[in-house]
Amino acid sequence: GNSVTQMEGPVTLSEEAFLTINCTYTATGYPSLFWYVQYPGEGLQLLLKATKADDKGSNKGFEATYRKETTSFHLEKGSVQVSDSAVYFCALSVNTGTASKLTFGTGTRLQVTL
Amino acid sequence: AAGVIQSPRHLIKEKRETATLKCYPISRHDTVYWYQQGPGQDPQFLISFYEKMQSDKGSIPDRFSAQQFSDYHSELNMSSLELGDSALYFCASSLGQGGTTDTQYFGPGTRLTVL
Repeated sequence: GNSVTQMEGPVTLSEEAFLTINCTYTATGYPSLFWYVQYPGEGLQLLLKATKADDKGSNKGFEATYRKETTSFHLEKGSVQVSDSAVYFCALSVNTGTASKLTFGTGTRLQVTL
Repeated sequence: AAGVIQSPRHLIKEKRETATLKCYPISRHDTVYWYQQGPGQDPQFLISFYEKMQSDKGSIPDRFSAQQFSDYHSELNMSSLELGDSALYFCASSLGQGGTTDTQYFGPGTRLTVL
């Protein structure tokens, strides 16, 4: 089956620190990979995505590269801000020919302090 | 453009009651997904619809049913509610035939509390 494994949180960083949140996956088939962010009390927002090997998704200073050889999609940001505090979910979907459900990791809570 | 709309945003029910959650997808989106997120957990896929037909089914209890209507909005019907049904229910929509490049856009969720 399909599964996503994320590093456990919470991750606590000072503002302007470098962020890495590890994500690895297993999939039957060729998945697309996603990072979603959930701010407190809100829904899930797509942060970035990559659909094939070596693709790099980027948005708002966040980046992740689809590494097929290591089945990974680690999220990075060079300088975090307090406003980045949220829960980050790594997810995948595999084309089944119809609506392709997302399989999520357990989420990693990021806390950024001044 | 308007995003995915879910109603109600909050719902409180007693055990054994029924609940109906509604989802209005982004304009022209033809695919709807339902997910359940328990406290401190990741979202779990329940069911999806493409062009008003059920497309895929996940860990959805038999007490739950859903459908997609001709205007593409969807409703999740939950009967004989249990305490364990308390969760955040998300609806997401996408455009296309379900290829993996179809980005799912999520609504704000409905928080269901069963007392």
